[in-house]
Amino acid sequence: DADVTQTPRNRITKTGKRIMLECSQTKGHDRMYWYRQDPGLGLRLIYYSFDVKDINKGEISDGYSVSRQAQAKFSLSLESAIPNQTALYFCATSDSGTNNQPQHFGDGTRLSIL
Amino acid sequence: QKEVEQNSGPLSVPEGAIASLNCTYSDRGSQSFFWYRQYSGKSPELIMSIYSNGDKEDGRFTAQLNKASQYVSLLIRDSQPSDSATYLCAVNQAGTALIFGKGTTLSVSS
Repeated sequence: DADVTQTPRNRITKTGKRIMLECSQTKGHDRMYWYRQDPGLGLRLIYYSFDVKDINKGEISDGYSVSRQAQAKFSLSLESAIPNQTALYFCATSDSGTNNQPQHFGDGTRLSIL
Repeated sequence: QKEVEQNSGPLSVPEGAIASLNCTYSDRGSQSFFWYRQYSGKSPELIMSIYSNGDKEDGRFTAQLNKASQYVSLLIRDSQPSDSATYLCAVNQAGTALIFGKGTTLSVSS
């Protein structure tokens, strides 16, 4: 089983719909992140959480919200989806040890909004 | 705005050659530096981390860091067609998330 699991893997939906992307991890990491990736724009940070009660905005948080339900779960919601939110979304985790630990990524969710 | 810059490429090298990938960053307080490899449609995979000035070698990969010049590089020796991918440079400070460059596409021809 994958250490960082994202569901669904693919989703096609319509403009205006509410969508939730889910991420769960078995790595025991405290820190979790959501990124989106668009061709030519690289990975951009949406939100991140360093603990269950900690939520921080990233570079492009407008139009998104998150919930950290437990240490192992971090979900991303699009309240009213719009076509320019079509992208590949990645969840990542990292340990909170010394020397800034690297991030480990899930397999991604490909989201298309029509 | 903290920035991480990479040449988008494509960087084309023949099989067996050395591929050199470069990255510059704007935040002098950055403490941790990572290289990820990403195949098309797949998730980024960590291949190297470096935290102090100098070189760090792992198999065919060598990461080089120069904090004074705000520069980090990745050398791939004996490049193979399977190394063809996009390489992402990522940087962060303590207590923050990684900031990624847009990536350099490497193509290794056999």
